[in-house]
Amino acid sequence: GNSVTQMEGPVTLSEEAFLTINCTYTATGYPSLFWYVQYPGEGLQLLLKATKADDKGSNKGFEATYRKETTSFHLEKGSVQVSDSAVYFCALSERGSSNTGKLIFGQGTTLQVKP
Amino acid sequence: DTGVSQNPRHKITKRGQNVTFRCDPISEHNRLYWYRQTLGQGPEFLTYFQNEAQLEKSRLLSDRFSAERPKGSFSTLEIQRTEQGDSAMYLCASSASGLSAYEQYFGPGTRLTVT
Repeated sequence: GNSVTQMEGPVTLSEEAFLTINCTYTATGYPSLFWYVQYPGEGLQLLLKATKADDKGSNKGFEATYRKETTSFHLEKGSVQVSDSAVYFCALSERGSSNTGKLIFGQGTTLQVKP
Repeated sequence: DTGVSQNPRHKITKRGQNVTFRCDPISEHNRLYWYRQTLGQGPEFLTYFQNEAQLEKSRLLSDRFSAERPKGSFSTLEIQRTEQGDSAMYLCASSASGLSAYEQYFGPGTRLTVT
């Protein structure tokens, strides 16, 4: 079945450090890929998405590229801020008219950024 | 557009009691999803509605769980004879059809504690 695997956390970085959170997936078709973020005390928010191979999603300085050959969708940011501290979830959704669009999530990676 | 809302935000109940949660999706969204999230894990899909029709249910959704979406607007999730293992955050999400079908917007969740 379809699944998503993320690197385990917590990831602790100093402000302005480079961030990478690894995400790999297993899917039978050609899924859409997402990163969601959950700030403390808040609900899940869509951070970025990519719908086909080699697409790059980007938002708020975060980027992720859909790599079909390595089945990966790693999240990167060049310079993190304390306000980026949150839990990050990688997710996939199968596409196609017969699919419901349900999301399959990874287990989440906690990012802590220290001043 | 006020986003997806869920009520109540917190529910504490005793084992064996029934509970009901409500989700109000974004008004123009015809797709509605329920997920369950336990501590330290990513959300897991429970069920999906397109308009008023319940089109998919996860095997996680035992016969103690029932969900409805009358008239294709708000949805309710009922858990009968609650067990301690039902303690979790219950998330509702909605999305539109068409190209944005796979972009889901989440509510703040209902945290259930079964004592």
